[in-house]
Amino acid sequence: KQEVTQIPAALSVPEGENLVLNCSFTDSAIYNLQWFRQDPGKGLTSLLLIQSSQREQTSGRLNASLDKSSGRSTLYIAASQPGDSATYLCAVPSYNNNDMRFGAGTRLTVKP
Amino acid sequence: GAVVSQHPSWVICKSGTSVKIECRSLDFQATTMFWYRQFPKQSLMLMATSNEGSKATYEQGVEKDKFLINHASLTLSTLTVTSAHPEDSSFYICSASDRAGANVLTFGAGSRLTVL
Repeated sequence: KQEVTQIPAALSVPEGENLVLNCSFTDSAIYNLQWFRQDPGKGLTSLLLIQSSQREQTSGRLNASLDKSSGRSTLYIAASQPGDSATYLCAVPSYNNNDMRFGAGTRLTVKP
Repeated sequence: GAVVSQHPSWVICKSGTSVKIECRSLDFQATTMFWYRQFPKQSLMLMATSNEGSKATYEQGVEKDKFLINHASLTLSTLTVTSAHPEDSSFYICSASDRAGANVLTFGAGSRLTVL
């Protein structure tokens, strides 16, 4: 059964810092990996989708990398802003069901 | 792009009543939809897989008689929480894929249920 772990559980940084969020998964036979953002009480916003054949994806100040063999992904946020404060979730497809399995998330706070 | 709509976005009900949450794929057909539940400060946990025209598949520990799922058309799945209790208060999110086997899901905005 696929298990997804995210470290750290919470992170507080001053505005302007670069930061890295980590995600690991137990079953490396994944089709893709996706990073989401969730604001308090809200749904999910898809940030980046990395296909299994890719090593990284970039969108603005966000860069996500994928190392399938080691079962790891990182989300790099450059020049963090208070508006980046949210919970960041990584998720991978379940091998046999097409649903997605989520990590517990990293709760990010960027202080002005 | 693919859009999944949920309704209502929030609902408050009395203990013992039933609540229905709708999940619609607006611009695509979805033979399979997924229902997730998220308790405060926890991650999303899959509750069940909703299959159009057949019975839903429930994850271990999820009571099928309490969480009734109906997927009567290719664009609509409903989740009914029957005889709701305060412990059922949670954030319920549905998702669907616009392409069979694409392994990329589009998520609804979620429905927050509060049972008094």
